[in-house]
Amino acid sequence: EPEVTQTPSHQVTQMGQEVILRCVPISNHLYFYWYRQILGQKVEFLVSFYNNEISEKSEIFDDQFSVERPDGSNFTLKIRSTKLEDSAMYFCASSEELGVTEAFFGQGTRLTVV
Amino acid sequence: RKEVEQDPGPFNVPEGATVAFNCTYSNSASQSFFWYRQDCRKEPKLLMSVYSSGNEDGRFTAQLNRASQYISLLIRDSKLSDSATYLCVVNINNQGGKLIFGQGTELSVKP
Repeated sequence: EPEVTQTPSHQVTQMGQEVILRCVPISNHLYFYWYRQILGQKVEFLVSFYNNEISEKSEIFDDQFSVERPDGSNFTLKIRSTKLEDSAMYFCASSEELGVTEAFFGQGTRLTVV
Repeated sequence: RKEVEQDPGPFNVPEGATVAFNCTYSNSASQSFFWYRQDCRKEPKLLMSVYSSGNEDGRFTAQLNRASQYISLLIRDSKLSDSATYLCVVNINNQGGKLIFGQGTELSVKP
């Protein structure tokens, strides 16, 4: 069964450092997303990406965040200067169509900022 | 008002019980509705989409009431393996495919 894969599974970084979270969406999917979940809280939308540009972003997705599809398979989330409050589980997701069909989630990257 | 609101839980039920989860959403423009399941510290996985006419998948039945902006999930004959957090999820198609999640309702099925 095709799946979304994310690396690394766990990243520990010092406050102020840059991190890049990587995702390989399902190959025939066209829409890509990043979500985050702070421990004990709900899953929150960060950004959606289609046709090599951002479709929608949330208030959380400020200038410290960026996304990129550097090649035909990878989809990355970069946090330029991490803060303690960026500590969370980050989920990548992809879907064939916009919102109507299932969004498949990767297993997540647990980011710990110390 | 929260965009998607669910029963706070947790629900602790014996095996074989029937359990119902409720969810309300605030944006009347919402187009697509889903129930996802999330096991502890894992990714959300789609349990079922929710259609206007209601739909059933084995022991699971989902209902949607657009007028009341209300979604429900019924689990019959619950199994130990049903223990998880159930997430009510809504999509507003004109917002880039963004899924809006409820905070989840935890279910614990005991022997």
